[in-house]
Amino acid sequence: DVKVTQSSRYLVKRTGEKVFLECVQDMDHENMFWYRQDPGLGLRLIYFSYDVKMKEKGDIPEGYSVSREKKERFSLILESASTNQTSMYLCASSSARGFGTGELFFGEGSRLTVL
Amino acid sequence: SQQGEEDPQALSIQEGENATMNCSYKTSINNLQWYRQNSGRGLVHLILIRSNEREKHSGRLRVTLDTSKKSSSLLITASRAADTASYFCATASLLLKANSKLTFGKGITLSVRP
Repeated sequence: DVKVTQSSRYLVKRTGEKVFLECVQDMDHENMFWYRQDPGLGLRLIYFSYDVKMKEKGDIPEGYSVSREKKERFSLILESASTNQTSMYLCASSSARGFGTGELFFGEGSRLTVL
Repeated sequence: SQQGEEDPQALSIQEGENATMNCSYKTSINNLQWYRQNSGRGLVHLILIRSNEREKHSGRLRVTLDTSKKSSSLLITASRAADTASYFCATASLLLKANSKLTFGKGITLSVRP
């Protein structure tokens, strides 16, 4: 079975803390994504990566950065967490040459609360 | 920016009935996909329909695509209580650069009453 694993299901952090959300996929996929999901807003793309060490901004990259040092791992970093970053974070991967030509495989999500 | 807009926002039906969910989008697409999400979990891919296809089936799922109206519908036949979930349409736009991204709608909450 294909698998996308997010390191933490639930996190509680304080304002100003640095937060790392880790995502690992075991499918040898080239493409990896970070979305955030908020009630009434659906899924919004934060960053994506189509190759090791490559990254591109999505729709809402402000306040976030990412790292892709290895093909299987894509990390989302909140340099200084703020309360408006309280959300569900979803990692996904795909093997499509162009993202839109293939299905995304999602992790179970990481629910982050920033106090 | 949100590309797909699902309709209705919420749907409640009796077990055994059919559920129809609609998605409209604004720009030309490469393909359209439907996903399902159980409460508090990740999304699961259901079906993909390409821009040159009009209808696709997978088990109890039937998806149609009308590119002239920029709309798609997802039909779940003979619904079961286990179909209770949120459903999202996602589009891959042709107008973006080659490595295009999927843009998701806000989702439809389906409740199937036993």
